[in-house]
Amino acid sequence: DVKVTQSSRYLVKRTGEKVFLECVQDMDHENMFWYRQDPGLGLRLIYFSYDVKMKEKGDIPEGYSVSREKKERFSLILESASTNQTSMYLCASSQLAGVSQFNEQFFGPGTRLTVL
Amino acid sequence: DAKTTQPNSMESNEEEPVHLPCNHSTISGTDYIHWYRQLPSQGPEYVIHGLTSNVNNRMASLAIAEDRKSSTLILHRATLRDAAVYYCILTGLTGNQFYFGTGTSLTVIP
Repeated sequence: DVKVTQSSRYLVKRTGEKVFLECVQDMDHENMFWYRQDPGLGLRLIYFSYDVKMKEKGDIPEGYSVSREKKERFSLILESASTNQTSMYLCASSQLAGVSQFNEQFFGPGTRLTVL
Repeated sequence: DAKTTQPNSMESNEEEPVHLPCNHSTISGTDYIHWYRQLPSQGPEYVIHGLTSNVNNRMASLAIAEDRKSSTLILHRATLRDAAVYYCILTGLTGNQFYFGTGTSLTVIP
C-alpha cells in the first residue's frame, strides 16, 4: 500500500518559533509537494521538489523554506512562525511527469498547525 | 497550466446520479483532465482522468466534451461516503504541478 506520512496530525506553536513539518514517502517518487489549505481558498502550492536538493517555488512561498536531502523526505520549514500561517498543511508525492501521463499525486493525512 | 471553473457546491439525494461539471475553456491539446476528491479530514485522492475519450472506472465516469472545453464527473449512485470536495485539474504531459482551486463541495442528502 502506497504511503505518504506526515510527522504530526496536530501541532501548536508560538509566534516566532521555528517549525519543521516532515513528510516521508515510500514510493520512490521523484516529485514531492507542500500545499496549504484554508477555507475558501482551496489547496495552494507552497513549494515542490523534483529531485534531491532541488526545489521550485509554488504560488505562495513567502515565509516558508524547504529541504530535500533524501529522495523520500521533504521538509517544510517556517523560519519564524506567524499567526497567518495557521493552516492545514498537506504533503504529496508523484512520479516525474513524462514517465507516465498518469502522474497521480498521493497525499498524506495533513498537519493542522496552529500558531498562537 | 490552464485553470478550471467549478461550482462551489452541489447537493444530491442518496442513490441518485450526480453530475459534477467543470469548465476548462483554455485547455491545450496535450492537457489531461484529472479529478480528485477530498473526504473530510483527509488528503485529496485520485478519482479518474482522461484526455479525449470518455472514461469509466470503479469509482466514477468522466464525460469529456467533444471540444474538450468542459467535462463532467459522473457518480452513478451517490452514497453518503461520496460527500467530499471534488477537484477538476488540468495538467500537461510534462507538467509536474497541479492547480487544485477550490473545487465543488458535494453534499449527499439521505
